[in-house]
Amino acid sequence: QVQLQESGPGLVKPSQTLSLTCTVSGGSISSGSYYWSWIRQPAGKGLEWIGRIYTSGSTNYNPSLKSRVTISVDTSKNQFSLKLSSVTAADTAVYYCARDVRWFGDYYFDYWGQGTLVTVSS
Amino acid sequence: QSVLTQPPSVSGAPGQRVTISCTGSSSNIGAGYDVHWYQQLPGTAPKLLIYGNSNRPSGVPDRFSGSKSGTSASLAITGLQAEDEADYYCQSYDSSLSGRVFGTGTKVTVL
Repeated sequence: QVQLQESGPGLVKPSQTLSLTCTVSGGSISSGSYYWSWIRQPAGKGLEWIGRIYTSGSTNYNPSLKSRVTISVDTSKNQFSLKLSSVTAADTAVYYCARDVRWFGDYYFDYWGQGTLVTVSS
Repeated sequence: QSVLTQPPSVSGAPGQRVTISCTGSSSNIGAGYDVHWYQQLPGTAPKLLIYGNSNRPSGVPDRFSGSKSGTSASLAITGLQAEDEADYYCQSYDSSLSGRVFGTGTKVTVL
């Protein structure tokens, strides 16, 4: 059973960079044709896809966040990471990591981490 | 702002059938992209409920079913149970936005 676990600071100051890591267990991050995604959810609101990475390093980002997002992967540690720069209070949310499974021409998320709350505040 | 619209809430008595709509456009559902559904119980992460419009992952009760037609999709819950009280989100791909998109979310209340 694949498990994902987010980790990182729960408090980030405005204008700084938010950094989170997702550790994958129960299987190799490099096995299978999976992408690995980040998704966030502000309190009381809906889900927003941030971006994803393949183990080759290939990435896709949400155009609305692309200028501030960097997703990277460390296959030796079975981890992938998110960096979001120049954060504001609008970036306060629960951040989830998830596995992207290919379905014909598209993908869906079959495994999710439990989520981690990141608050942007001085 | 989501491009997939869902009703904010639906409710039903135990045992009843409820449906949740997910309305998109010609750049997502109408373009032929499939719809996937997630259930989010209070205080927990979303869980995959339906993939590829109508397929249930192992372990998901057959009380949950999905369908798609034109620019919309639907999730039906038959034999509603108290444990089904949760938020439900649809998800697809949007070619104009070049990324996957989620619906606005629907809260299901069991009366």
